[in-house]
Amino acid sequence: QKEVEQNSGPLSVPEGAIASLNCTYSDRVSQSFFWYRQYSGKSPELIMSIYSNGDKEDGRFTAQLNKASQYVSLLIRDSQPSDSATYLCAVNTGSGNTGKLIFGQGTTLQVKP
Amino acid sequence: KAGVTQTPRYLIKTRGQQVTLSCSPISGHRSVSWYQQTPGQGLQFLFEYFSETQRNKGNFPGRFSGRQFSNSRSEMNVSTLELGDSALYLCASSLQGTANEKLFFGSGTQLSVL
Repeated sequence: QKEVEQNSGPLSVPEGAIASLNCTYSDRVSQSFFWYRQYSGKSPELIMSIYSNGDKEDGRFTAQLNKASQYVSLLIRDSQPSDSATYLCAVNTGSGNTGKLIFGQGTTLQVKP
Repeated sequence: KAGVTQTPRYLIKTRGQQVTLSCSPISGHRSVSWYQQTPGQGLQFLFEYFSETQRNKGNFPGRFSGRQFSNSRSEMNVSTLELGDSALYLCASSLQGTANEKLFFGSGTQLSVL
């Protein structure tokens, strides 16, 4: 079983719709969770981080975390064509408080005008 | 502030050769992580360095090694190259390399092994 799993997609949504991206992870002790966005030919960039159960909102983005179910999700409201990219779920599995970020395969999102 | 700088941008090598990739983190950042990205496997963690010490390691063979210098610059070496080592190698830096920190990625080095 992979440490971080995502549906590779592509996930296709019409402009203005809500895009829902999901991720599961295997390490029960993980405490830090991230969503990175990667445009084609570019490097990943952080869009959201979440550390405690529940929802965290930032503009059109909402991250949701359920540690009991080992599940993280990202909702993108009012999706725009510029949101078309690969979304990478990442979970920190480093010992102590060190950084060892493990990424999922990524979900490709296509927002159609 | 300059971002994470990786050199070279592109490399072409043949099987059996070795290669060294370089990464200069953002000024003040002391943690450097290396990743391999391929279409089939996605982003895979290689190792993380902090204050010249390797603190975390992924599941790559010993042919993959790295080091960090006192100025936080890092190098990654791959010996006895195999065709499967063809990939985009990304370096990322953060201030202290703690679990909650954001990673800043460089543009990567595209390695092709022929």
